[in-house]
Amino acid sequence: DIVLTQTPLSSSVALGQPATIFCRSTESLVDSDGNTYLSWLQQRPGQPPRHLIYQVSNRYSGAPDRFSGSGAGTDFTLKISRVEAEDVGIYYCMQATQFPQRMFTFGQGTKLEVK
Amino acid sequence: QVQLQESGPRLVKPSQTLSLTCSVSGGSISSGGYYYSWIRQHPEKGLEWIGRIFYTGATSYNPSLKSRVTISADMSENEFSLKLASVTAADTAVYYCVTELGPPINGFDVWGQGTTVTVSS
Repeated sequence: DIVLTQTPLSSSVALGQPATIFCRSTESLVDSDGNTYLSWLQQRPGQPPRHLIYQVSNRYSGAPDRFSGSGAGTDFTLKISRVEAEDVGIYYCMQATQFPQRMFTFGQGTKLEVK
Repeated sequence: QVQLQESGPRLVKPSQTLSLTCSVSGGSISSGGYYYSWIRQHPEKGLEWIGRIFYTGATSYNPSLKSRVTISADMSENEFSLKLASVTAADTAVYYCVTELGPPINGFDVWGQGTTVTVSS
């Protein structure tokens, strides 16, 4: 089974400074259709998660443009260009496999604190 | 805009069946625009996809839970349900109902607020 490992597990970033979160997979996430279904989710305190990034680098509807994703194969990165107070929360990477059925696994989460 | 609301018992005894219902408003399950899924979040731990149902009635389950899970839908009530049998303390979690999108997103759009279910005698 694919395991996603995120680093760091927690991060404290000053307001207006950049933040970076890494996600490493135990195997390549390139699907048989040639796409890489690696997403990033944000969970603010007391809220359900929401989708930020899909297919490595595409911002989902409503995601601010200060969020960007990159990577390929087994190594992926979420960057926040300038952290804002509302970015406090836990960030998860998530991968989707399509065969034999579409299913999802998640990283363990990275807690972001804004100072 | 679709909205989701979970309901069901918050406390379940070990070995019993956990049953939750998700009411869908602002859209119809039978319209086929989404898959409808359940995801849970263990205390202090991460997220786990449980399974999904499509308006056709087709279901898919996480292999790790497949032997205990049933997801069904009631189109007339516009709601879908989760049953998890033979629960243990390890099933204590926040349970979310979620709308799921296939390719190219392969992710989740609308989330319910979540309901905390505790397994304890």
